[in-house]
Amino acid sequence: GENVEQHPSTLSVQEGDSAVIKCTYSDSASNYFPWYKQELGKGPQLIIDIRSNVGEKKDQRIAVTLNKTAKHFSLHITETQPEDSAVYFCAASWAGANSKLTFGKGITLSVRP
Amino acid sequence: GAGVSQTPSNKVTEKGKYVELRCDPISGHTALYWYRQSLGQGPEFLIYFQGTGAADDSGLPNDRFFAVRPEGSVSTLKIQRTERGDSAVYLCASSSSIGSEQFFGPGTRLTVL
Repeated sequence: GENVEQHPSTLSVQEGDSAVIKCTYSDSASNYFPWYKQELGKGPQLIIDIRSNVGEKKDQRIAVTLNKTAKHFSLHITETQPEDSAVYFCAASWAGANSKLTFGKGITLSVRP
Repeated sequence: GAGVSQTPSNKVTEKGKYVELRCDPISGHTALYWYRQSLGQGPEFLIYFQGTGAADDSGLPNDRFFAVRPEGSVSTLKIQRTERGDSAVYLCASSSSIGSEQFFGPGTRLTVL
């Protein structure tokens, strides 16, 4: 089955700096890669996703890049703000028969004011 | 509009008891997923419904776990003879169709004493 790895497990940046979070996946059949933000005591919130037919997608301060050959994808957050502090999860799935998501272990992002 | 809702938000039970966790998906969403999230981990897939039928229950850990979705909307996850190792946050997600974005509820925190 699919295996998603996420590194590092924690990341601390200064407010206004950029943050980059990387994930790798193992199953070349995976074709859908969402990123979720989870705040304490809440469910995961979808912030951006990318499908395998594109290499990059951007939404305001957030972007995701995908390298299918190397089987890795990254989340880029620019001009970080304290409210960006949360746990971020990457996931992968094959958007076919069931689309079940396989998640990484998550990274705790801290933005220092 | 209303998102995915889950009840109860917290459930404390004793080892050996039976529990039911409820999920109300976004109106009109045909696909419904259950995931389990242990402390410090990413969500792990349990079961997926397309309409009323369980299309994939490969993530259920054993036969003490069962889920239903009798009318293709609300779903109930049922756990018999609970064990301390069942303690986790149980998350529900729904999507408008196979391969579409999954939107998560706030989760039910289950504690087995």
